[in-house]
Amino acid sequence: DARVTQTPRHKVTEMGQEVTMRCQPILGHNTVFWYRQTMMQGLELLAYFRNRAPLDDSGMPKDRFSAEMPDATLATLKIQPSEPRDSAVYFCASGLRERNTEAFFGQGTRLTVV
Amino acid sequence: AQSVTQLGSHVSVSEGALVLLRCNYSSSVPPYLFWYVQYPNQGLQLLLKYTTGATLVKGINGFEAEFKKSETSFHLTKPSAHMSDAAEYFCAVSYFGNEKLTFGTGTRLTIIP
Repeated sequence: DARVTQTPRHKVTEMGQEVTMRCQPILGHNTVFWYRQTMMQGLELLAYFRNRAPLDDSGMPKDRFSAEMPDATLATLKIQPSEPRDSAVYFCASGLRERNTEAFFGQGTRLTVV
Repeated sequence: AQSVTQLGSHVSVSEGALVLLRCNYSSSVPPYLFWYVQYPNQGLQLLLKYTTGATLVKGINGFEAEFKKSETSFHLTKPSAHMSDAAEYFCAVSYFGNEKLTFGTGTRLTIIP
């Protein structure tokens, strides 16, 4: 059963600490998305990659957020330093460009910054 | 630019009644349209999608949606609500050549026993 795997599922950290969230996309998928979900803003696209290259990260605060794909099986989203306003659920999703259809979502990482 | 408007942040229906969740889109090019469902503490799961072809699409769990270009709508329906349908539903749009999904604000569906 192919699925997107995100770790950790929950993270509580203190303000100012570095946070790293990881995502394993579905094997063979060449497009990876990072979304953030909050009550106030809903689902926002932070960044997305195709074939490991960043295509759009305009939704990401550049001063503290960074997203990378070290290899085809791992995507990371880092926040340094973290702030309370970063508290949200972060979703990774993957898809296959050639089919240009739906994105498959992971279970999310619930981040709480205190 | 593309956008999605979901009318009604909360919808309540009785068990066995018709479910109708509304979605209107704005897109300068032919859209791809999606409905996702989110259960508590879970990720988003695809219910159904429209890309090209037949405008009435059927999805999982008995849901269907009709793409109406003239009305720029893609409303989600289910003839008979079940308690297990209680969840949050998101409409989303993308288009060929740009697979970024733009989501609506979501509709929370409550089923009344």
